[in-house]
Amino acid sequence: TQLLEQSPQFLSIQEGENLTVYCNSSSVFSSLQWYRQEPGEGPVLLVTVVTGGEVKKLKRLTFQFGDARKDSSLHITAAQPGDTGLYLCAHNNAGNMLTFGGGTRLMVKP
Amino acid sequence: KAGVTQTPRYLIKTRGQQVTLSCSPISGHRSVSWYQQTPGQGLQFLFEYFSETQRNKGNFPGRFSGRQFSNSRSEMNVSTLELGDSALYLCASSYRTSGGAGEQFFGPGTRLTVL
Repeated sequence: TQLLEQSPQFLSIQEGENLTVYCNSSSVFSSLQWYRQEPGEGPVLLVTVVTGGEVKKLKRLTFQFGDARKDSSLHITAAQPGDTGLYLCAHNNAGNMLTFGGGTRLMVKP
Repeated sequence: KAGVTQTPRYLIKTRGQQVTLSCSPISGHRSVSWYQQTPGQGLQFLFEYFSETQRNKGNFPGRFSGRQFSNSRSEMNVSTLELGDSALYLCASSYRTSGGAGEQFFGPGTRLTVL
């Protein structure tokens, strides 16, 4: 089983601050995905990173895949209350079987 | 395009009962996966169906079962409910026939409470 460890587990910040969450493993992945889940909803895919060293930007969110493809990070610039939610990294195994990290629960206070 | 729908949204059962949850995938999606989400264990894969066949199964006891119909709609059943089965059950559909970097679309989930 390929385990994904996320840190921190919880993060509470003020609006306008920057933050980084991490997703680490001892295994090498062909790709990693990041999801955001809001209360009462299912996870929604934010991005898929495929190439080692890859950096993808989605407005104020920057995703990076480690050179060795064992880890990934998500950086949010100038966080807003709308960014509040559970951030999950995941690997899609063969057969549409997602393995998720434990998640980072982010709260952005106005 | 309508998203993934799950019914019911909330369910309360007692220990020993059984429950059936339903999932309607996005039109055209033939793969349906089920996940259990709990505060302690996080999101865990239950099983995946494609063209009415179970292709993958997670590490859950045999009390958890599922099926898929010819229209790709899927149901999951939990028999002899235990308190630990209380969770959010999520269904996800995909147009991809295999894994890799494809996207899965999640429904809002069914919140099951076992008393």
